[in-house]
Amino acid sequence: RKEVEQDPGPFNVPEGATVAFNCTYSNSASQSFFWYRQDCRKEPKLLMSVYSSGNEDGRFTAQLNRASQYISLLIRDSKLSDSATYLCVVNMNTGFQKLVFGTGTRLLVSP
Amino acid sequence: NAGVTQTPKFQVLKTGQSMTLQCAQDMNHEYMSWYRQDPGMGLRLIHYSVGAGITDQGEVPNGYNVSRSTTEDFPLRLLSAAPSQTSVYFCASRPRDLGYTFGSGTRLTVV
Repeated sequence: RKEVEQDPGPFNVPEGATVAFNCTYSNSASQSFFWYRQDCRKEPKLLMSVYSSGNEDGRFTAQLNRASQYISLLIRDSKLSDSATYLCVVNMNTGFQKLVFGTGTRLLVSP
Repeated sequence: NAGVTQTPKFQVLKTGQSMTLQCAQDMNHEYMSWYRQDPGMGLRLIHYSVGAGITDQGEVPNGYNVSRSTTEDFPLRLLSAAPSQTSVYFCASRPRDLGYTFGSGTRLTVV
């Protein structure tokens, strides 16, 4: 089993739609989680951290389910500019606190 | 703050040549890492450092060396370039418990 798994997509949605991505992780001791956004041929950029109680940043909501070992990202009122690849990142809580990246979920928002 | 600065942005090498990818950060981050990103494989950790003078191997270290003589700088050296090292390389830094800030990447082609 991979340490971090994501559905590669692509998710094709119209503008204004709500879309959700899930990401599962294998290490139950993982303590911190992040969502990154990566545009084509660009570096990954931190979108938001994921807190135990769930957190929201504008149209973006992140949730953590420790029992089932997954995190989710919900995007409401999708914009064309949301088209990107979304990377799930999990801190494996080893000695180095290794961050493991998922391979990403591609989102395409169409007019 | 410039963040994480990587040079060069593009490089073409011949098989067997050596070169150094430069990485510098001005955020006083403890942790620095080098990743490579290949299509369909996500980000893979090459080497990392938890502070000046301390480095260790990631999951794909063969063919690469690193050093960390200062907090700011973390160069990656390709010893004898091979076509399998054609990739996009990202340097990243972070504080202990937070997510990474990435450099803009180096696109390396080995012919």
